[in-house]
Amino acid sequence: QSALTQPASVSGSPGQSITISCTGTSSDVGSYNLVSWYQQHPGKAPKLMIYEGSKRPSGVSNRFSGSKSGNTASLTISGLQAEDEADYYCCSYAGSSTSWVFGGGTKLTVL
Amino acid sequence: QITLKESGPTLVKPTQTLTLTCTFSGFSLSTSGVGVGWIRQPPGKALEWLALIYWDDDKRYSPSLKSRLTITKDTSKNQVVLTMTNMDPVDTATYYCAHHIYGSGSYPYWGQGTLVTVSS
Repeated sequence: QSALTQPASVSGSPGQSITISCTGTSSDVGSYNLVSWYQQHPGKAPKLMIYEGSKRPSGVSNRFSGSKSGNTASLTISGLQAEDEADYYCCSYAGSSTSWVFGGGTKLTVL
Repeated sequence: QITLKESGPTLVKPTQTLTLTCTFSGFSLSTSGVGVGWIRQPPGKALEWLALIYWDDDKRYSPSLKSRLTITKDTSKNQVVLTMTNMDPVDTATYYCAHHIYGSGSYPYWGQGTLVTVSS
């Protein structure tokens, strides 16, 4: 069982917005502003989309945004496009003993 | 341009030790704030963080796998090596190495991954 809980799947139509949640605990998501989000297309390596909870790396569309409330982080994708269909994983720092934990992943389907 | 590439055996037998090498370019592991981590992904399953080594040789391991993992670096060769002992079929996965920035908690650059199958 993954340390961070994500919905198994979400879907949306082109142009719509969707939000993927990532629920942890007060030992990881709730304690550190070090949540990152990764997009993974089939057969490809993960790609960093959001880091430090809400920052976008250079080159990542501003349609992607991140936030956090308590022990839950969220990734929002606005103006859904077909190319956004992929698996998305959250990751959080969890202290010096555990270090990093990933979520179970969410499959995004663009209808 | 930062690139990373994993190399190692594609097939190992149960109980054997796996040795994977990550060869990178575009950064130095002697630079303050830099790290290289290993993450794996069983077929059809989620990502699992394994280990990380920092520029100052600080090493972190997944608590559940700590007894089986060793991570080392060779700064002169731009390589990081991960060894995993006592391999089991459940360890069958694609193993990725990734560049890490201390303080950001993220892995901005990843290798292409290498599939390791554990089978007799």
